[in-house]
Amino acid sequence: EPEVTQTPSHQVTQMGQEVILRCVPISNHLYFYWYRQILGQKVEFLVSFYNNEISEKSEIFDDQFSVERPDGSNFTLKIRSTKLEDSAMYFCASRVQMNTEAFFGQGTRLTVV
Amino acid sequence: AQTVTQSQPEMSVQEAETVTLSCTYDTSESNYYLFWYKQPPSRQMILVIRQEAYKQQNATENRFSVNFQKAAKSFSLKISDSQLGDTAMYFCALCPGNTPLVFGKGTRLSVIA
Repeated sequence: EPEVTQTPSHQVTQMGQEVILRCVPISNHLYFYWYRQILGQKVEFLVSFYNNEISEKSEIFDDQFSVERPDGSNFTLKIRSTKLEDSAMYFCASRVQMNTEAFFGQGTRLTVV
Repeated sequence: AQTVTQSQPEMSVQEAETVTLSCTYDTSESNYYLFWYKQPPSRQMILVIRQEAYKQQNATENRFSVNFQKAAKSFSLKISDSQLGDTAMYFCALCPGNTPLVFGKGTRLSVIA
């Protein structure tokens, strides 16, 4: 069964360092998303991506964040200069079209120290 | 604004019993979808069940069923014959129109042997 895969599963980084979280969406899906979940809190939308551009972003997604689909299969989230409060679980999701369920990856646990 | 409210932060149920998790939502869209996701301790997000707003019939998936009350904007999840593996965080999610999923804060369900 097709699935969304994310790497790494856990990343520890020093405050101020850049991190890149990687995702491989399901191959025939057209809409891609990043969500984050701070421990014990709700799942928050960060950004959506369609047709090689950002279609929507939340207020959390500031200039420190960027997304890219460099090669038609990977979908990456870059945090330019990490802060302690960026520590969270980051989920990538994809769906074949709007108004369908999103399929989530297993998440990347980011710990900023 | 689209909102999802889960008013039960935690619930517990005896194994083999039935439990109902509550969810209410608000949207001005007429075309939308609703989902329940399960997040076990592994923290992966797993789709449990989906409901299209235009369908009057409540969705059912094995031991999981929903009570969708469109006028009341209510979407509760019923788990029958609860099993220890049902222990998880459960998130209600709304997909209003052509926008990303909006999640509730979640309900932590514990199934007790």
